Amino acid sequence: KQEVTQIPAALSVPEGENLVLNCSFTDSAIYNLQWFRQDPGKGLTSLLLIQSSQREQTSGRLNASLDKSSGRSTLYIAASQPGDSATYLCAVQTGANNLFFGTGTRLTVIP
Amino acid sequence: DVKVTQSSRYLVKRTGEKVFLECVQDMDHENMFWYRQDPGLGLRLIYFSYDVKMKEKGDIPEGYSVSREKKERFSLILESASTNQTSMYLCASSFYRQDAHIQPQHFGDGTRLSIL
Repeated sequence: KQEVTQIPAALSVPEGENLVLNCSFTDSAIYNLQWFRQDPGKGLTSLLLIQSSQREQTSGRLNASLDKSSGRSTLYIAASQPGDSATYLCAVQTGANNLFFGTGTRLTVIP
Repeated sequence: DVKVTQSSRYLVKRTGEKVFLECVQDMDHENMFWYRQDPGLGLRLIYFSYDVKMKEKGDIPEGYSVSREKKERFSLILESASTNQTSMYLCASSFYRQDAHIQPQHFGDGTRLSIL
């Protein structure tokens, strides 16, 4: 069964720093990988979706990469801001209705 | 914009009660999903539905049932609530296409359910 791991579980950085969040998965037979943001007590907001045939996706200050063969993805956040503080989840899709989530990285950006 | 609406943000119920969690989406999505989210365990799929009156078990269906009488509405039912069902419940929906695996799921804001 697919297992998704996110390390570290929590991260604190000063405002303005660039940072990288990591996601690894055990089975490379995926259709896509998605990064979500979750604010405390809220649902999930989709940030970026990378198809299995793609290597990266960019949206504003966010860049996500995918190395399917090694089972790894990274989410790069440039020039971090306090408003970026949230939990970031990655999820891999292995079928139309099969989405496997990591347990998330809780990011705190200190003003 | 896709809107997935869960009827309650917070709910407190007692052990043994029958509990209904409601989810409505406004994008004519075929697929709808119910997850629960627990610290250290991430999101786990309870049930999903790919059409009206159709349902499939996810990873943790025990103690739950679902109802999909209309395309836009998907209900999660706790037949006899227990304390171990205290959790955050998230509903999601997505389009079905032949290339459905590339259609992202859109999530609601969640219902935090406490069973006393």
